[in-house]
Amino acid sequence: DIQMTQSPSSLSASVGDRVTITCQASQDISNYLNWYQQKPGKAPKLLIYDASNLETGVPSRFSGSGSGTDFTFTISSLQPEDIATYYCQQYDNLPLYTFGQGTKLEIK
Amino acid sequence: QVQLQESGPGLVKPSQTLSLTCTVSGGSISSGDYYWSWIRQPPGKGLEWIGYIYYSGSTYYNPSLKSRVTISVDTSKNQFSLKLSSVTAADTAVYYCARNRRHDSSGYYYAFDYWGQGTLVTVSS
Repeated sequence: DIQMTQSPSSLSASVGDRVTITCQASQDISNYLNWYQQKPGKAPKLLIYDASNLETGVPSRFSGSGSGTDFTFTISSLQPEDIATYYCQQYDNLPLYTFGQGTKLEIK
Repeated sequence: QVQLQESGPGLVKPSQTLSLTCTVSGGSISSGDYYWSWIRQPPGKGLEWIGYIYYSGSTYYNPSLKSRVTISVDTSKNQFSLKLSSVTAADTAVYYCARNRRHDSSGYYYAFDYWGQGTLVTVSS
């Protein structure tokens, strides 16, 4: 199975900060990676697909990059409403989908 | 606007079978462009994909749960269902139903683009 490892597990940042989360796959997954945002008590929401494509309606301050085994998710200017846990998800090893363990983002 | 809604008991006794239904509105479950999945999240933990079903009835389950999982579909009601047998406390989780959409170019069913609100199922005597 492909393991997805996110770092950090949690982070605290100030409004306006640039925030970066990384996701590492245990083997080459090309660009077969998605990113989700989960606010407390809510279902996850798809933000980025194919590693770098912004889902329709998602603010442009969110972005993703990477391929192979190393991926990055970035919020260019943190807003209060971005407080959430973020998950990466691979789809290279279909039909088995796996998620990273999550990164909890808090406001400093 | 597609909406998914989970329903079912919030409390199940150990060794019994957990049963949930997901009702899809605003779109047809019989569209060939989507798979329909169940995903769970234990309290305070991450997401685990359980399995999916296609409108035709074909399924695939996470190998870690395969021996205990059954997913079925009722296209006449626009619903799909989850059964998880022989539950233990480790199966306590929020259970989500979600739609897998098909990638335009690759044809892979690759992303979960619509989710239900989730339902907490507690396994306890």
